[in-house]
Amino acid sequence: GDSVTQTEGLVTLTEGLPVMLNCTYQSTYSPFLFWYVQHLNEAPKLLLKSFTDNKRPEHQGFHATLHKSSSSFHLQKSSAQLSDSALYYCALRLRNSNNRIFFGDGTQLVVKP
Amino acid sequence: EAAVTQSPRNKVAVTGGKVTLSCNQTNNHNNMYWYRQDTGHGLRLIHYSYGAGSTEKGDIPDGYKASRPSQENFSLILELATPSQTSVYFCASGVSGTNNNQAPLFGEGTRLSVL
Repeated sequence: GDSVTQTEGLVTLTEGLPVMLNCTYQSTYSPFLFWYVQHLNEAPKLLLKSFTDNKRPEHQGFHATLHKSSSSFHLQKSSAQLSDSALYYCALRLRNSNNRIFFGDGTQLVVKP
Repeated sequence: EAAVTQSPRNKVAVTGGKVTLSCNQTNNHNNMYWYRQDTGHGLRLIHYSYGAGSTEKGDIPDGYKASRPSQENFSLILELATPSQTSVYFCASGVSGTNNNQAPLFGEGTRLSVL
């Protein structure tokens, strides 16, 4: 079936170091992929989305590359900031008539000084 | 501006009572979703809808009903609330289509406590 896997439940790193949060997916149709960020006591908000033309999306210093060969959409940032501490979800929407959204379990990112 | 509005934002209910959570969207989206979020479980889909008059079961529908009387409104109903339903509930709206990569938009959430 269709699913999203985020292997890390918690990632802790020091400010200034690079960030990489893993996301792999399983899908019967070529999907749209999304990254959401959720700060404490707030709603999930869209951070990035995959494009239909293979452009690499970027926002707030974060970027992600959709690799169809490895079914991955990892989230990366070159230098972590304290304000990046949040819960990050990878999500998938199928391109067919099925309108389900599949979310990973989320990765809690903690950035320390 | 696109928006999803949930009400109430906070609710305290008694065990066995009826609770209705409401969601309104002004985005003209066909699809709407109800999730609950608990520590250690991420976002879990309860019910969703493709359009007015339709409701579909998600992954954890037991103990919940949903109603979509119009394009704009999607309600989640707990007929007999239990303490295990204490959680934060999020509503979202979104589009479908093979060439539309627009992402679902979330409401601000409803914090429900069942005592």
